[in-house]
Amino acid sequence: EVQLVESGGGLVQPGGSLRLSCGASGFIFRSYWMHWVRQAPGKGLVWVSQINHDGRSSTYADSVKGRFTVSRDNAKNTLYLQMNSLTVEDTAVYYCAREGYSSDWYGPDDWGQGTLVTVSS
Amino acid sequence: QSVLTQPPSVSAAPGQKVFISCSGSNSNIGKNYVSWYQQFPGTAPRLLIYENEKRPSGIPDRFSGFKSGTSAILGITGLQTGDEADYYCETWESSLGLLFGGGTKLTVL
Repeated sequence: EVQLVESGGGLVQPGGSLRLSCGASGFIFRSYWMHWVRQAPGKGLVWVSQINHDGRSSTYADSVKGRFTVSRDNAKNTLYLQMNSLTVEDTAVYYCAREGYSSDWYGPDDWGQGTLVTVSS
Repeated sequence: QSVLTQPPSVSAAPGQKVFISCSGSNSNIGKNYVSWYQQFPGTAPRLLIYENEKRPSGIPDRFSGFKSGTSAILGITGLQTGDEADYYCETWESSLGLLFGGGTKLTVL
């Protein structure tokens, strides 16, 4: 059974930093692309970042480019999101999600339970 | 404002059918697969449909997906009160990354 468990969320002041982690199990982590998706309170899903299977390629939403960095440690089956220069607009539940694969890659299939990041003074 | 347009809400009676639309463009839906997700309050999204029309194991055949051109549709038949949730479409656009629709709240009257 695929399991994704996020951690590292919490309360941080504007301008601060936070690092989220996502522990993966139940599948061959090193073979899959991974995503971070966030959801502000009462709002919809918004993609944040993705990283390829070996960590050598990553892309970001414009809203976080230059502030957030995605990385992974395949030896530890863990995905990370380093968030710097946080603003109140970054307040959200952050989900990690695995990219699904059938005959081709098709988007997130399994999701973690999410971790809440609150940016407030 | 989402690049993918969904109706904010839809409603229907138990046992009836409902369709949720997702409108995009040639840059996203027009050239990439569409997925659909169901999300209950306070929980993570669950994949309902992938590759436009395929259902993961465990998803009942009451849920179906269809794509034509730059639009996609999620169909739900035999509505149950337990289907009340938010539904999101998703696809990819090379210049923007992963895209989600704004979400549709389904009410089963």
